[in-house]
Amino acid sequence: GQQLNQSPQSMFIQEGEDVSMNCTSSSIFNTWLWYKQDPGEGPVLLIALYKAGELTSNGRLTAQFGITRKDSFLNISASIPSDVGIYFCAGHGIFIQGAQKLVFGQGTRLTINP
Amino acid sequence: GAVVSQHPSWVICKSGTSVKIECRSLDFQATTMFWYRQFPKQSLMLMATSNEGSKATYEQGVEKDKFLINHASLTLSTLTVTSAHPEDSSFYICSARGRRLAGGEQYFGPGTRLTVT
Repeated sequence: GQQLNQSPQSMFIQEGEDVSMNCTSSSIFNTWLWYKQDPGEGPVLLIALYKAGELTSNGRLTAQFGITRKDSFLNISASIPSDVGIYFCAGHGIFIQGAQKLVFGQGTRLTINP
Repeated sequence: GAVVSQHPSWVICKSGTSVKIECRSLDFQATTMFWYRQFPKQSLMLMATSNEGSKATYEQGVEKDKFLINHASLTLSTLTVTSAHPEDSSFYICSARGRRLAGGEQYFGPGTRLTVT
């Protein structure tokens, strides 16, 4: 099925460092969502973006909806051990087989060295 | 935020038996529920979409007779894996979208780990 291009696929950083990941698409989306998934759990919604150019923060997390509506990035500042997990971007707003569905990126696996 | 629960969180069953997984929206009415399957180290794969009171729409390649979905109320959807086989072992996650939630937002349940022996 359709999928977004998310990068990087994995990151190994030191505690306290900032993190940046992004998603790109060939299609235009009306909504960009960022989720975090811990091992053995379902994804948890971190940030939702609804307008091109929108910049939204949630604590140490900041995400932006690209002007072209084809990309989005997520930044995490001053990483801490509990930030470890897999981050997924998701786009919504295009019709696939007659219905609007979420299209997911492949995920970014974040590992933090203490 | 919107809360979605899933039950059971894990289940082990014998090959040939059927397993039912429940998905509930606890604090909102879910007009649409989604069922995903996730393999290790992979992204989520949509299996089917169900709207309350109507038949589920299955993704290409997903057997509707094997994965029975019922969305009988605005707070409950069930996925039944019929005649389970070891290759059905996976992590199944539901999600829900509600009328009053902003466009596109979906909230996920905690997932159900199915192991078929």
